[in-house]
Amino acid sequence: AQSVTQLDSHVSVSEGTPVLLRCNYSSSYSPSLFWYVQHPNKGLQLLLKYTSAATLVKGINGFEAEFKKSETSFHLTKPSAHMSDAAEYFCVVIKSSGTYKYIFGTGTRLKVLA
Amino acid sequence: KAGVTQTPRYLIKTRGQQVTLSCSPISGHRSVSWYQQTPGQGLQFLFEYFSETQRNKGNFPGRFSGRQFSNSRSEMNVSTLELGDSALYLCASSQEIRNTEAFFGQGTRLTVV
Repeated sequence: AQSVTQLDSHVSVSEGTPVLLRCNYSSSYSPSLFWYVQHPNKGLQLLLKYTSAATLVKGINGFEAEFKKSETSFHLTKPSAHMSDAAEYFCVVIKSSGTYKYIFGTGTRLKVLA
Repeated sequence: KAGVTQTPRYLIKTRGQQVTLSCSPISGHRSVSWYQQTPGQGLQFLFEYFSETQRNKGNFPGRFSGRQFSNSRSEMNVSTLELGDSALYLCASSQEIRNTEAFFGQGTRLTVV
């Protein structure tokens, strides 16, 4: 069965320093993986997606993620954090067994310190 | 292209009442899913509709129901509201193509008092 595990519930970084949000997945076949961001009292916005093309995926706002099959990981990174990056981030895998159901991780809350 | 529209944005209801939430998907999208988001449980899948048919259902009691209309608009209904139903309810729409992403609305914040 497909699942994702977000390894950190909270991450704090200083503005201008790199961001690393960790996600491990479990899937019996090549998964489709996504990262979404949610700002307070807002819906979820897609940051990037992996669908078995290039393993390094570039998303919006300078974020990128690398799919590593050997490590079953799909970590989200950004070279330099901005105050506006403070939000909650969700790693998502699609469960496709007849229907396309999204399996969400528990979320990582990113805090950016001035 | 308009995004996913959820109405209303905020609702306050009393225990025991019922509520109906609405979701208009992106034009051309036939799949609509609903999620409940709470601080304690995170994002939980409620159900998914495609072409007016419920294709998948999460582990929620029968008080939670939904439907989809021929224009792909969807509604979800919660009857006999409980305090624990207070949550952000999110709707997502997607095309019926493998590996495509879901687009989310801003949600309806339901408070049960």
